[in-house]
Amino acid sequence: EPEVTQTPSHQVTQMGQEVILRCVPISNHLYFYWYRQILGQKVEFLVSFYNNEISEKSEIFDDQFSVERPDGSNFTLKIRSTKLEDSAMYFCASRPQGADGYTFGSGTRLTVV
Amino acid sequence: KQEVTQIPAALSVPEGENLVLNCSFTDSAIYNLQWFRQDPGKGLTSLLLIQSSQREQTSGRLNASLDKSSGRSTLYIAASQPGDSATYLCAVRPWSGNTGKLIFGQGTTLQVKP
Repeated sequence: EPEVTQTPSHQVTQMGQEVILRCVPISNHLYFYWYRQILGQKVEFLVSFYNNEISEKSEIFDDQFSVERPDGSNFTLKIRSTKLEDSAMYFCASRPQGADGYTFGSGTRLTVV
Repeated sequence: KQEVTQIPAALSVPEGENLVLNCSFTDSAIYNLQWFRQDPGKGLTSLLLIQSSQREQTSGRLNASLDKSSGRSTLYIAASQPGDSATYLCAVRPWSGNTGKLIFGQGTTLQVKP
């Protein structure tokens, strides 16, 4: 069964540093997403990406965040100048065209110290 | 604004029991609804996807129903096993917009005791 692959599984970073979270979506999927889950809270939508551009972003996704699909296979989330409150599990997901459901990656646990 | 609520927040049952998890949403204009399983510290595994035109979907011991007009979905687990212990998340894809984002409930944490 095709998988969405995320690396690293766990990252610890100093406050103020930049981090890049990486994802390899399923190859024939067209829509890509980042979600996050702060410990004990709901999974929250961050951003959707289609046709090489952002199609929607939440109010959480401010100028601190950016996404990129640099080479047709990887999909990255960059967080500039991390804050303590950015500590969360970050999930990448993808889906094909139409009504089919999502496939999520196993997540990257980001800890900002 | 779409809100998704899951009841109960936690549930503990003895092995072998049949159980029902509930999900409600405030706006009936949805494209589909998806149930996920999340093990502690892990990712989301898709269990069942129900399109807005469907009433239910089944996979093994799992059955999910959808009543769009009343804004409800249920996940029925038959003959529960300790391996079913996990958090179950309900997520709706709103009809509006074309981005397909999901809105999640807070989950029901299930413990099945041997």
